[in-house]
Amino acid sequence: DAMVIQNPRYQVTQFGKPVTLSCSQTLNHNVMYWYQQKSSQAPKLLFHYYDKDFNNEADTPDNFQSRRPNTSFCFLDIRSPGLGDAAMYLCATSRGGGYEQFFGPGTRLTVL
Amino acid sequence: GESVGLHLPTLSVQEGDNSIINCAYSNSASDYFIWYKQESGKGPQFIIDIRSNMDKRQGQRVTVLLNKTVKHLSLQIAATQPGDSAVYFCAEKRVGSQGNLIFGKGTKLSVKP
Repeated sequence: DAMVIQNPRYQVTQFGKPVTLSCSQTLNHNVMYWYQQKSSQAPKLLFHYYDKDFNNEADTPDNFQSRRPNTSFCFLDIRSPGLGDAAMYLCATSRGGGYEQFFGPGTRLTVL
Repeated sequence: GESVGLHLPTLSVQEGDNSIINCAYSNSASDYFIWYKQESGKGPQFIIDIRSNMDKRQGQRVTVLLNKTVKHLSLQIAATQPGDSAVYFCAEKRVGSQGNLIFGKGTKLSVKP
């Protein structure tokens, strides 16, 4: 089945230790998104790739970076995680803008 | 650790009853709206969507109503089942944006057997 896959499902890191979360998709969608979701809150868009074009949200901290080496994969790099970065990180894809976004199961990040 | 979570609005219904979840959106220039269901520990799951040139769309057991005059969106679930228990988010897309969705606060639906 075509899907969005996130690895790992649970990630524990130490304060200040760089961490990378990964997302892959078999949908061949050209747009990939990264969202941060904290407890009992709505997902908040961090950035997205439209094909190879990177689009950062204005309020996304510099601590968050992303890479998309090919259509199928997208990575979220957190350079120096703080306690406030503990959250669920959701990857989503869509076929162009203005269409349904398909979400992965998320990666739960814990910062010690 | 994580910041203290906000209390979500909660809707509690009896199994078999109809549920109506409401959402007020912020921008009259939004042209696409979508409802997601999110179960605990999982990613959001698509339920139904609607474009701004429509005011009603039906799916299986679900109906979305769009009132552009008052910027209001609602999700109706017929014959609510325990498996419908989840948090429901509405989301809007602004005209001209590259598909960026802006999510509403979410409503927690609890279904009593």
